Amino acid sequence: NAGVTQTPKFRVLKTGQSMTLLCAQDMNHEYMYWYRQDPGMGLRLIHYSVGEGTTAKGEVPDGYNVSRLKKQNFLLGLESAAPSQTSVYFCASADWDRNQPQHFGDGTRLSIL
Amino acid sequence: KQEVTQIPAALSVPEGENLVLNCSFTDSAIYNLQWFRQDPGKGLTSLLLIQSSQREQTSGRLNASLDKSSGRSTLYIAASQPGDSATYLCAGLQGAQKLVFGQGTRLTINP
Repeated sequence: NAGVTQTPKFRVLKTGQSMTLLCAQDMNHEYMYWYRQDPGMGLRLIHYSVGEGTTAKGEVPDGYNVSRLKKQNFLLGLESAAPSQTSVYFCASADWDRNQPQHFGDGTRLSIL
Repeated sequence: KQEVTQIPAALSVPEGENLVLNCSFTDSAIYNLQWFRQDPGKGLTSLLLIQSSQREQTSGRLNASLDKSSGRSTLYIAASQPGDSATYLCAGLQGAQKLVFGQGTRLTINP
């Protein structure tokens, strides 16, 4: 059981380039999330999805777009990367039962030069 | 807006000691309070989840408490071991199952 898998694990981009981060879960979870983690700031929610075909903004959505075309996948896009988007990105998924914990991937380390 | 604060930011103790990590939150309207462990370069692993109607949860040497009225949760680790060294994060669950995280406490257990 793989759980939550993030691709890629590391990436270096130049300012202005675009890329897509992929998150896949095999637990049939309804909810999926994208967070970013910066030093000393904990995890902050970027976007989330409450089901296939739905997306919503979190705390820090600017500069990012997401799509959830299939229930098991949640994509995070950076249209024009900026140095301020250098961070570690985590994907998570959760069951509809709110008293089950969220499951996290191992993260994507992204550097924007 | 929910704010979650963890104190201290870092803690270093000798092996074998019992210790307490603190978490405070400003909005008591949470469905549950979750504690996670994060090892360097890794994702988050769930340790304990306390439902809003509960006061505490235990798993092995770990015990987490929740006091919604005061906006506080604590994680108690008994008989600490070097393998407990990690960053510990707490998070409150709000609407649409959104977690609001504290900044974490980086714990070092010295042999």
